[in-house]
Amino acid sequence: AQSVAQPEDQVNVAEGNPLTVKCTYSVSGNPYLFWYVQYPNRGLQFLLKYITGDNLVKGSYGFEAEFNKSQTSFHLKKPSALVSDSALYFCAVRAHFSGNTGKLIFGQGTTLEVKP
Amino acid sequence: DSGVTQTPKHLITATGQRVTLRCSPRSGDLSVYWYQQSLDQGLQFLIQYYNGEERAKGNILERFSAQQFPDLHSELNLSSLELGDSALYFCASSVDSSGALSYNEQFFGPGTRLTVL
Repeated sequence: AQSVAQPEDQVNVAEGNPLTVKCTYSVSGNPYLFWYVQYPNRGLQFLLKYITGDNLVKGSYGFEAEFNKSQTSFHLKKPSALVSDSALYFCAVRAHFSGNTGKLIFGQGTTLEVKP
Repeated sequence: DSGVTQTPKHLITATGQRVTLRCSPRSGDLSVYWYQQSLDQGLQFLIQYYNGEERAKGNILERFSAQQFPDLHSELNLSSLELGDSALYFCASSVDSSGALSYNEQFFGPGTRLTVL
């Protein structure tokens, strides 16, 4: 069965420091991986995705993620956090053998709090 | 703004009632996905429609149904509502194509918050 785990419910970081939000996955075959961010009372916003190719993926708002096949991880990173990055972050996966549907399996979410 | 619209934003109703949630996808997107977000279950995929036809089904209760109309807007119907159906319901759209593997990102609407009393 496909699954995504975000081992930390909350990550706290000081503004200006690097941040990492962790994600591990379990799928059959090659994974398609996504990161979304949810601000309070808003829908999810797409940040970045890994389909194939370079293991380091760059996305919106200065975020990037590193795909590690041996560790089945897809951690979200940013070199310098901003207070405005404080939000709920979701990792999601779509398995290669899901047919022609793009349905996503989401992790439980990680709350990122960036303090001034 | 993702370009996906959902109405209403909030819905308060009683147990046993039926409600309809509406979604308009981004211009040009043929796929509509419905997700449910609740505190205990997290974000769960309910159902996907592609160009008017059901393409995939997830953890959708039999009391729930959906459809996609010729103009591509979609409706999610929830009936015989229970307290546990209280949640945020999201619609998402993407530019999937027929028959092909889909790895396009999905664009989410702002959601409909359903409260069942």
